Amino acid sequence: NAGVTQTPKFQVLKTGQSMTLQCAQDMNHEYMSWYRQDPGMGLRLIHYSVGAGITDQGEVPNGYNVSRSTTEDFPLRLLSAAPSQTSVYFCASSYTSLQPQHFGDGTRLSIL
Amino acid sequence: QKEVEQDPGPLSVPEGAIVSLNCTYSNSAFQYFMWYRQYSRKGPELLMYTYSSGNKEDGRFTAQVDKSSKYISLFIRDSQPSDSATYLCVVTFNQAGTALIFGKGTTLSVSS
Repeated sequence: NAGVTQTPKFQVLKTGQSMTLQCAQDMNHEYMSWYRQDPGMGLRLIHYSVGAGITDQGEVPNGYNVSRSTTEDFPLRLLSAAPSQTSVYFCASSYTSLQPQHFGDGTRLSIL
Repeated sequence: QKEVEQDPGPLSVPEGAIVSLNCTYSNSAFQYFMWYRQYSRKGPELLMYTYSSGNKEDGRFTAQVDKSSKYISLFIRDSQPSDSATYLCVVTFNQAGTALIFGKGTTLSVSS
C-alpha cells in the first residue's frame, strides 16, 4: 500500500515552459486535492476533486489546470510556468472532504 | 485577520520537556480541528483529529480545543528528538467540499 505518490520529486523549469505534476493514490479515496506550500504562507489549496470527472478551484487556482479521469490519478498542469510558481506542491487524498487527508511527500519545483 | 494564527517559533526544548503548541482561530463556525506533523522534506502527516471541545489523548500527545475562546493546543509530554518537526494546526467546517485551513506551522526542535 503506497498511499499518495507524487512524481517527480524535484523539477527545474524555465519561465514559459509547461509541465504536469503527477499524483496517484491506491486507497480508493474519492477526494483529492493539490496544495502549494511557500515559506511564511502555509499550505494553500490550488484545486480539488470530489470524484472522477469532478474538479473545482481552491484559493489559488490561476495558472494551473487539473483533470480527474480516474479515481486514482489527479495530475496538476502548469500551463506556462512563472517564477511565482516556484514552490513545494503537495497532493492529498481522503475518503471524503470531511475526513483528514493523507499527503504525498511533495514535488519541489523551481522556475527560473 | 488570518483565519488561523500560529506562532511560527522556532521553539527549542531539551529532551524530556513538556511542549505546548498553540493556535487561535477567528471563525466560530469551524467544527473540525486537526494537528499535522511535518518533517523536513516530507508531506504533513495527521497526528490528532477532534470534533468537540475538551481534551483528546494519544500516547504522549494531547490535543485541547476550547471553542468558547477559539483556542487550540497540542501538548507533547516527555518530548524526544524524533519530535523535532513543524506542527501545523488545521481547522475546517462541517460541510462537504470545504477546504482545510492551515496555520503556518510552529517549528519545534528537541535537543538530546
